[in-house]
Amino acid sequence: AQTVTQSQPEMSVQEAETVTLSCTYDTSESNYYLFWYKQPPSRQMILVIRQEAYKQQNATENRFSVNFQKAAKSFSLKISDSQLGDTAMYFCAFLTPLGYEKLTFGTGTRLTIIP
Amino acid sequence: DAGVTQSPTHLIKTRGQQVTLRCSPKSGHDTVSWYQQALGQGPQFIFQYYEEEERQRGNFPDRFSGHQFPNYSSELNVNALLLGDSALYLCASSLQGHNTEAFFGQGTRLTVV
Repeated sequence: AQTVTQSQPEMSVQEAETVTLSCTYDTSESNYYLFWYKQPPSRQMILVIRQEAYKQQNATENRFSVNFQKAAKSFSLKISDSQLGDTAMYFCAFLTPLGYEKLTFGTGTRLTIIP
Repeated sequence: DAGVTQSPTHLIKTRGQQVTLRCSPKSGHDTVSWYQQALGQGPQFIFQYYEEEERQRGNFPDRFSGHQFPNYSSELNVNALLLGDSALYLCASSLQGHNTEAFFGQGTRLTVV
């Protein structure tokens, strides 16, 4: 079974600064996907960024980038130039494209951007 | 495109009662997955529906059941409600074989008293 661990329950950072959220996972699969989802107070899960395990290049989406270390089973999210709208819960998630493709989530990190 | 819509947004039920939650998938999607998110936790997979059949199930008791209709919309039913069933229930839709592109609804907040 796959497990996802987020060891930082809460983090805060000043607006415009850079913050890194940590995630580790455990799997015996070689082909899988990793995700960071954002859940603002509106409750809707919003996909921030996705990484395919077979791609060595780290994914980037504007101010969001990941540091994917496959051997270490580590998948951190870096938010640059943080904005007040980045305040939310952030969840790391894992999916294997084999079978029925369910998402396995971590317990989340509550990120607060301070004005 | 209305995206994934869930109803109701909130509801309160009494222990022992039954509840039905509804989900309409994003246009063009044919697969619906349900997740339970307890307070302060990450979502936990309940089950997935495709072609009107339950295709995979997480570690949830038989009190949790579902249905998918020909128009791909889905219902989640929970019988004999327990206080521990209080949670946010999220629906995610996708196109079968493309679950790396799942879209979530805003969830239904269920409170059992």
